[in-house]
Amino acid sequence: ETGVTQTPRHLVMGMTNKKSLKCEQHLGHNAMYWYKQSAKKPLELMFVYSLEERVENNSVPSRFSPECPNSSHLFLHLHTLQPEDSALYLCASSPGRGWNTEAFFGQGTRLTVV
Amino acid sequence: GENVEQHPSTLSVQEGDSAVIKCTYSDSASNYFPWYKQELGKGPQLIIDIRSNVGEKKDQRIAVTLNKTAKHFSLHITETQPEDSAVYFCAARGGADGLTFGKGTHLIIQP
Repeated sequence: ETGVTQTPRHLVMGMTNKKSLKCEQHLGHNAMYWYKQSAKKPLELMFVYSLEERVENNSVPSRFSPECPNSSHLFLHLHTLQPEDSALYLCASSPGRGWNTEAFFGQGTRLTVV
Repeated sequence: GENVEQHPSTLSVQEGDSAVIKCTYSDSASNYFPWYKQELGKGPQLIIDIRSNVGEKKDQRIAVTLNKTAKHFSLHITETQPEDSAVYFCAARGGADGLTFGKGTHLIIQP
């Protein structure tokens, strides 16, 4: 148990659906991240939030929309996804955005787009 | 941006032997290098990390070495056990934001 909780653990959605992934951390961290993990590829950083402000967006398509209402919660809103968006979506948090701060991951949401 | 290469992609060792996984990075400004272990159906778990002001760090059977001049770092696991079987990822922080990961090494411990 890392202190980072993601829900749901599994999600199957159609290409026309709208769904949201949720991440919650009780570690008192100030930075939260979304990563995408696909087969045969390195973990890809999608978004970075620091003190509820988005500070990085790595050219992610607009069909992925993050939201950080407070420093403990992070959402990823999904709409009109494509089958190639099927992957494991991982949330992580760290004490701050500093160079050498540890990042702790949740268990991930396994997303399948049909 | 940062680029991290990790080798090998698969490593099979006999139980009790040592395992070594190697990574190289491209950004000479990077100064934080964590290693994660990911078991099936779980998220990556931080197992050890090293910062650029040291060359080696040990935690029981796990050690990490860093060569900043050559820009490479390695994970060493001694006296391997069946529960060490997993996918291991190296990473580097090349800026004040997210980590850049290697592609992972599938470590198989043969009984």
